Amino acid sequence: AQSVTQLDSHVSVSEGTPVLLRCNYSSSYSPSLFWYVQHPNKGLQLLLKYTSAATLVKGINGFEAEFKKSETSFHLTKPSAHMSDAAEYFCVVSESRQAGTALIFGKGTTLSVSS
Amino acid sequence: KAGVTQTPRYLIKTRGQQVTLSCSPISGHRSVSWYQQTPGQGLQFLFEYFSETQRNKGNFPGRFSGRQFSNSRSEMNVSTLELGDSALYLCASSQPPGQKNTEAFFGQGTRLTVV
Repeated sequence: AQSVTQLDSHVSVSEGTPVLLRCNYSSSYSPSLFWYVQHPNKGLQLLLKYTSAATLVKGINGFEAEFKKSETSFHLTKPSAHMSDAAEYFCVVSESRQAGTALIFGKGTTLSVSS
Repeated sequence: KAGVTQTPRYLIKTRGQQVTLSCSPISGHRSVSWYQQTPGQGLQFLFEYFSETQRNKGNFPGRFSGRQFSNSRSEMNVSTLELGDSALYLCASSQPPGQKNTEAFFGQGTRLTVV
């Protein structure tokens, strides 16, 4: 079975400083990986996805992630944090099953941004 | 294009009762998945439906069930509610289904509180 581990449950940054949210995955073959964001009392929104086309993936709102097979990592970064980035972030792997797929979520990382 | 619509947004039920939650996918999407989100367990896959057939099921007891209609709308039902069923229930739709790199679009969820 595939899995993802988000290494930090909570990350705090100051506005304008870089953001790094860490994610390691476990997969026996080429995975499909995603980052989703959840703002309070909102549903989940896709930030970006990796599907083996390119190892550096650019997403919305200035976020990007790099797939590193040798390190089994898919860390999310942003050069400069904004107050509106404060939310919960989920690293997700898509697992193919006998029929269909299922998304396997990490435990989430809460990002706090201070002024 | 309307997003994924979940109704109701909030529910309060008593232990032992049953509840039905509804999800209308994005127009044209035929795959609907359900997830449970709790502070302790995070986001967990419940089941996936496509063409009125359940294709995948997560590790939940038989009290959790669902169905999908010919217009792709889906309902999930929880019988004999327990306090631990209190959670945010999220529905996601996708198209085409069955491909691990397909983006899932999430609704805002139904917040179920069992008292």
